[in-house]
Amino acid sequence: DADVTQTPRNRITKTGKRIMLECSQTKGHDRMYWYRQDPGLGLRLIYYSFDVKDINKGEISDGYSVSRQAQAKFSLSLESAIPNQTALYFCATSEPTSGEQFFGPGTRLTVL
Amino acid sequence: GDSVTQMEGPVTLSEEAFLTINCTYTATGYPSLFWYVQYPGEGLQLLLKATKADDKGSNKGFEATYRKETTSFHLEKGSVQVSDSAVYFCALSDRGGGFKTIFGAGTRLFVKA
Repeated sequence: DADVTQTPRNRITKTGKRIMLECSQTKGHDRMYWYRQDPGLGLRLIYYSFDVKDINKGEISDGYSVSRQAQAKFSLSLESAIPNQTALYFCATSEPTSGEQFFGPGTRLTVL
Repeated sequence: GDSVTQMEGPVTLSEEAFLTINCTYTATGYPSLFWYVQYPGEGLQLLLKATKADDKGSNKGFEATYRKETTSFHLEKGSVQVSDSAVYFCALSDRGGGFKTIFGAGTRLFVKA
């Protein structure tokens, strides 16, 4: 079984809809991250969490919110989706001493 | 702040050619350095890493040496294969930055048979 899973894998939605992307991990890591990937822009950090009670904004948090329901679960929400949020979204965890990251398979989101 | 700069792609090579993808970084502390690879339709996965100056990371024929004096971590492979076609990301993780990872923009590699 995969260590970091994401649901759904693909989602098409309309402008103004609320969307939730879910991430679960079995790595036992405290640190979890949400990234957005756009062509030619690499990965940009949306939110990160160093433990269940710690949530931090990344470089592009506007229009997004997160919830850390448990050590193993970290959800990303788009309260009112807009077309420029069309992208590939990745969840990741990190190893505590070296910072090595472990990625989920990604969610491809299309906002029409 | 910390940053990573890597060469723009795409890079197109013939099978068995030598590969170099340049990566330089700026960091206030002593970061760990990584190369991640993303195959089509998949998430990123670690290719190799180095945690201190002069360390050499290696995996699957790829190598990169942590050069503190030139703040570089260039990725090399002596003979690429079609299966190496992917996007490669250089990254750093700095304890001083709370172990957030900073990624380069990625370099797409195409290998032709």
